Amino acid sequence: EAGVAQSPRYKIIEKRQSVAFWCNPISGHATLYWYQQILGQGPKLLIQFQNNGVVDDSQLPKDRFSAERLKGVDSTLKIQPAKLEDSAVYLCASSPGPASGNTIYFGEGSWLTVV
Amino acid sequence: AQTVTQSQPEMSVQEAETVTLSCTYDTSESDYYLFWYKQPPSRQMILVIRQEAYKQQNATENRFSVNFQKAAKSFSLKISDSQLGDAAMYFCAYRSYNQGGKLIFGQGTELSVKP
Repeated sequence: EAGVAQSPRYKIIEKRQSVAFWCNPISGHATLYWYQQILGQGPKLLIQFQNNGVVDDSQLPKDRFSAERLKGVDSTLKIQPAKLEDSAVYLCASSPGPASGNTIYFGEGSWLTVV
Repeated sequence: AQTVTQSQPEMSVQEAETVTLSCTYDTSESDYYLFWYKQPPSRQMILVIRQEAYKQQNATENRFSVNFQKAAKSFSLKISDSQLGDAAMYFCAYRSYNQGGKLIFGQGTELSVKP
């Protein structure tokens, strides 16, 4: 079974530029998550989708971050304009559904460096 | 709001020995899940073990076991017969039972294994 796919794996941009990350969850998984992991910290949830609807985006900096999950399958996370503090690994994860007993599977992440 | 605390930024163990990683959490909920994830340098989060709060019996997975103390809100991970491949960052995480949503992570413990 294919895992959670993310691209690009690495990206270096200058501050004030824009960047987009793509995620393809495990087939059939209705719930998709985007986490931000700053170096030396644990991951923090940015946004959670159930199918193509947003369940939780309370910690998403909406002035610069946006995310969508069209057709309830793959998802895109965009940052515009980027700041130095956005340097982090962006982890995408998916699960069969929102029930807490379901295992959440993570991708390998997209590493962002803002210079 | 729930919080997860890992007070050991780094731990070291000799190969074939046993090591215990500590985790405490704070919640007012009575039903929840607790997890330990392993994160190697590739940054992919890999589920090691999980514990349902309503179960008194401590979870075990081969060389990995937990000591779950619900009243003390403590959830430690014991790794027996440590192997070089166990070296990684380990994250403790909490997930609400009812809300079916996000994982809340601790700050992580970096485990090194000495040959």
